[in-house]
Amino acid sequence: AQKITQTQPGMFVQEKEAVTLDCTYDTSDPSYGLFWYKQPSSGEMIFLIYQGSYDQQNATEGRYSLNFQKARKSANLVISASQLGDSAMYFCAMREGNSGGSNYKLTFGKGTLLTVNP
Amino acid sequence: DVKVTQSSRYLVKRTGEKVFLECVQDMDHENMFWYRQDPGLGLRLIYFSYDVKMKEKGDIPEGYSVSREKKERFSLILESASTNQTSMYLCASSFRVVLVLGTDTQYFGPGTRLTVL
Repeated sequence: AQKITQTQPGMFVQEKEAVTLDCTYDTSDPSYGLFWYKQPSSGEMIFLIYQGSYDQQNATEGRYSLNFQKARKSANLVISASQLGDSAMYFCAMREGNSGGSNYKLTFGKGTLLTVNP
Repeated sequence: DVKVTQSSRYLVKRTGEKVFLECVQDMDHENMFWYRQDPGLGLRLIYFSYDVKMKEKGDIPEGYSVSREKKERFSLILESASTNQTSMYLCASSFRVVLVLGTDTQYFGPGTRLTVL
């Protein structure tokens, strides 16, 4: 079974509108971290936002927020006020176990290609 | 800001050549990683290093080796390049010991697109 599932291969959004990119995960570990990365066509993976399994509040970073629903095992990325520069591939990733130490491995989803239309 | 650099953005090699991909980070991170990224397969971990001269195999280590002689530098070696190693290679680094949850975030370099002919 896939540990990270991104069900939307591609998404389209109009400039200035909000968009939600879906991510569901599968783990039996009570301690885990969830990450979102953006990959523009240039190829670099850019870290966007982090959510820990014990965090009480949804993470926010500027126009990015994470809709964390622990019981449903979902960690959707919400981008508000989309910009043309947001067009990119977006990856959800999970680290199982406690932060640091030997629990280093990230498992990535297959990604969602977001296109922002003017 | 974290900076991870990779020696080449694009590389073209011939089958059978020995290929070196270099990665350097300037954040004093203990952990360094090499991934390859292929369409439809996502990112897959090749090798990981948590300290100088230490390494661990990832999910797909076959056909690759690594070297970490200095903390800031992590090299990926293709001993005898093959066409099925044509891919995008991404290096990343992170802290190993964290005081604040989430600060083990992996930061990536710009990637190297390797073509083996």
